[in-house]
Amino acid sequence: EAGVVQSPRYKIIEKKQPVAFWCNPISGHNTLYWYLQNLGQGPELLIRYENEEAVDDSQLPKDRFSAERLKGVDSTLKIQPAELGDSAVYLCASSLGTSYNEQFFGPGTRLTVL
Amino acid sequence: ILNVEQSPQSLHVQEGDSTNFTCSFPSSNFYALHWYRWETAKSPEALFVMTLNGDEKKKGRISATLNTKEGYSYLYIKGSQPEDSATYLCAFLMDSNYQLIWGAGTKLIIKP
Repeated sequence: EAGVVQSPRYKIIEKKQPVAFWCNPISGHNTLYWYLQNLGQGPELLIRYENEEAVDDSQLPKDRFSAERLKGVDSTLKIQPAELGDSAVYLCASSLGTSYNEQFFGPGTRLTVL
Repeated sequence: ILNVEQSPQSLHVQEGDSTNFTCSFPSSNFYALHWYRWETAKSPEALFVMTLNGDEKKKGRISATLNTKEGYSYLYIKGSQPEDSATYLCAFLMDSNYQLIWGAGTKLIIKP
């Protein structure tokens, strides 16, 4: 069974440019998470979806970040415009049901903003 | 503010030695504790989901204990091998509908 797929793996952009990340969760997993991970820190939740509904987006900086999960399957996370401080690893994870259940992670996208 | 602390931040262990590290979390409103292993250039991988005070879980040479009353969990690795080199993350859950609160991880390096 395929795991969580993310693309691209690496992205280098100049500040003020837009960028988008894509995630395809494990088939059948209704819950999808986008995390931001800075070096030396734990993952920070940006947004959590249950099916196509964003049930927790309280930590998503909505002035520049947006996300969607059309049809409750794959998801995209967009930053527009990117800032230097957005350089980080963006992780996507999926699980069956709630946060109680183990989460399955993709390999992440390492974003560098110059 | 909910805070999850992991110690030490990094650890160098000789191959064959056993080791352990700590995850501290709020002792009130406990629902579950997760342990994950994140090897370089790979995806984080779940090790354990723990819910009961006094629980002990084991997977091969790795085991974990849980004390919800005092708010800590230990992860033990017996007879460390080079493939154990990774960052070990714990995450605390206070409610099934809430989000995981993650620690910063313990980076384990096994020296051959």
